[in-house]
Amino acid sequence: SQELEQSPQSLIVQEGKNLTINCTSSKTLYGLYWYKQKYGEGLIFLMMLQKGGEEKSHEKITAKLDEKKQQSSLHITASQPSHAGIYLCGAASGTYKYIFGTGTRLKVLA
Amino acid sequence: EPEVTQTPSHQVTQMGQEVILRCVPISNHLYFYWYRQILGQKVEFLVSFYNNEISEKSEIFDDQFSVERPDGSNFTLKIRSTKLEDSAMYFCASRSDRASNQPQHFGDGTRLSIL
Repeated sequence: SQELEQSPQSLIVQEGKNLTINCTSSKTLYGLYWYKQKYGEGLIFLMMLQKGGEEKSHEKITAKLDEKKQQSSLHITASQPSHAGIYLCGAASGTYKYIFGTGTRLKVLA
Repeated sequence: EPEVTQTPSHQVTQMGQEVILRCVPISNHLYFYWYRQILGQKVEFLVSFYNNEISEKSEIFDDQFSVERPDGSNFTLKIRSTKLEDSAMYFCASRSDRASNQPQHFGDGTRLSIL
């Protein structure tokens, strides 16, 4: 079965610093989703990548899907305390089933 | 912006009791999902539902679980005889169609505590 592995598991950065979170799939990805979760709350959709090499940005967050479609990275530029939370990558695994990565817990120090 | 709503936000139940978690998906969505997240662990797929039937279910979704869309707006998850290990956050999600460029939208979850 397909697995998504995220790294790092947790990250503490100073406000204003850049950071990158990685998501690696055990199989080819056909659509990779990035979500943000605040502790004890629901998942908020950030962006979706479909094509190898595709890159999308939303405010200061950029995500990219590599050419071989087995890895995605999420990059935050000039991090702010509002970026704190748990970042999850997700993917379709089969026609109707979705799986999620292990999550990366981000803390931004003011 | 339309959103997925879940009730209750927190449910406390005695072990062995039945519990029903409720969800109202986004109104024009066609695909519905339930996920579970045990504290500190990953979000796990339970079941997907389309056209009034289960499309796919995980090994977690055994005979004690059932889903229903009783009235065209609500989507429920029933756990028949709860166990301590059912304690978790349960998320409902919906999606507009099966096209791969449509994301799932999640509710804020129901925290289920089994005593």
